[in-house]
Amino acid sequence: GAGVSQSPSNKVTEKGKDVELRCDPISGHTALYWYRQSLGQGLEFLIYFQGNSAPDKSGLPSDRFSAERTGGSVSTLTIQRTQQEDSAVYLCASSLGLAKYEQYFGPGTRLTVT
Amino acid sequence: GENVEQHPSTLSVQEGDSAVIKCTYSDSASNYFPWYKQELGKRPQLIIDIRSNVGEKKDQRIAVTLNKTAKHFSLHITETQPEDSAVYFCAWFVGGTSYGKLTFGQGTILTVHP
Repeated sequence: GAGVSQSPSNKVTEKGKDVELRCDPISGHTALYWYRQSLGQGLEFLIYFQGNSAPDKSGLPSDRFSAERTGGSVSTLTIQRTQQEDSAVYLCASSLGLAKYEQYFGPGTRLTVT
Repeated sequence: GENVEQHPSTLSVQEGDSAVIKCTYSDSASNYFPWYKQELGKRPQLIIDIRSNVGEKKDQRIAVTLNKTAKHFSLHITETQPEDSAVYFCAWFVGGTSYGKLTFGQGTILTVHP
């Protein structure tokens, strides 16, 4: 079946602009995660959604970052007033839930803030 | 704290040799330990994982061992091939229910020379 998809694959924006990144999880997966990977670094957790429960936002670096998940499927990560330090690859992952912990990643969105 | 120490940061081996990467975690409640392989410009791919009730798991040339007492787990790759060259990330997960976030190590750059 289809894997996790993300769009756009690349985004270049000017400092101060807002951006929206989209994630389509694997069909049937109840949990959705956002991570950030800076150049040459590991993956940093941002936020996750599980079903209808309140999301865990503990990894969001500032209040400029927000995310929503509509209808339990597609998710959008929004970064307001982008800064150069926001430049990174934003990765989305999904998992089945129900004690299935395996997380499968999308191809990522490379964000460059100029 | 939520730390995963991963060693070595770089590893260079000759084709056919074995490679071992080790991670140490801090949270004794951790119960799931995946390993991801990331090729340049690609998404992280889950290659093997282990749960806390198991000490070792093998899948062809790849194996993972877990020492809960010492709080460390290791990835073993035997008979390495050039296509094994990639960045490898360990991660740990605390999941009391069906979901939870992953904390990642900083990665190991593995280079297999033909």
